[in-house]
Amino acid sequence: GQQVMQIPQYQHVQEGEDFTTYCNSSTTLSNIQWYKQRPGGHPVFLIQLVKSGEVKKQKRLTFQFGEAKKNSSLHITATQTTDVGTYFCAGTRNTDKLIFGTGTRLQVFP
Amino acid sequence: NAGVTQTPKFQVLKTGQSMTLQCAQDMNHNSMYWYRQDPGMGLRLIYYSASEGTTDKGEVPNGYNVSRLNKREFSLRLESAAPSQTSVYFCASSVAGTGQFFGPGTRLTVL
Repeated sequence: GQQVMQIPQYQHVQEGEDFTTYCNSSTTLSNIQWYKQRPGGHPVFLIQLVKSGEVKKQKRLTFQFGEAKKNSSLHITATQTTDVGTYFCAGTRNTDKLIFGTGTRLQVFP
Repeated sequence: NAGVTQTPKFQVLKTGQSMTLQCAQDMNHNSMYWYRQDPGMGLRLIYYSASEGTTDKGEVPNGYNVSRLNKREFSLRLESAAPSQTSVYFCASSVAGTGQFFGPGTRLTVL
């Protein structure tokens, strides 16, 4: 079946450093979504990418969708303590059924 | 707007007991979902409803049943709980083709 893998599983950074998480699908995706989950909280939708090669920015966050629509990345510039949480990618193939990646847990030390 | 609400927040069951997890949304979304989240496993889709009166299986439907009571409500039932069903359960809703809004979750422990 379809699988979506994320790396790294954990990342610890000093406040101010950059952070990147990578998402790879075994199959071509229709679109990819990114979610953030704070410790003890629920996933919160960040963004959706649809087009091949698409790049979107939200303040310090940059999201990319690969040319083959099988991979994606989230880059955070100059991390802050408020960025702490687990970041999930989730892909679909022509349906609304999301396949979630395993997530990357980000810890930021002040 | 309350968004997506779930009840209960916490539940402890004994093996073999049954229970229903309730979910409601007030955003007029057509699509609703039930996920479970286990440590290191991410979120896995249990069941999905594209509209009132329709339901579809996700990745891990065994041991669960669902009811889309109306456009607002989507319930998840465990007929005979097993320890393997210990998890955090999230309900979500969306407009088709857009991001999903999640409820606060139910933490279920099956002894």
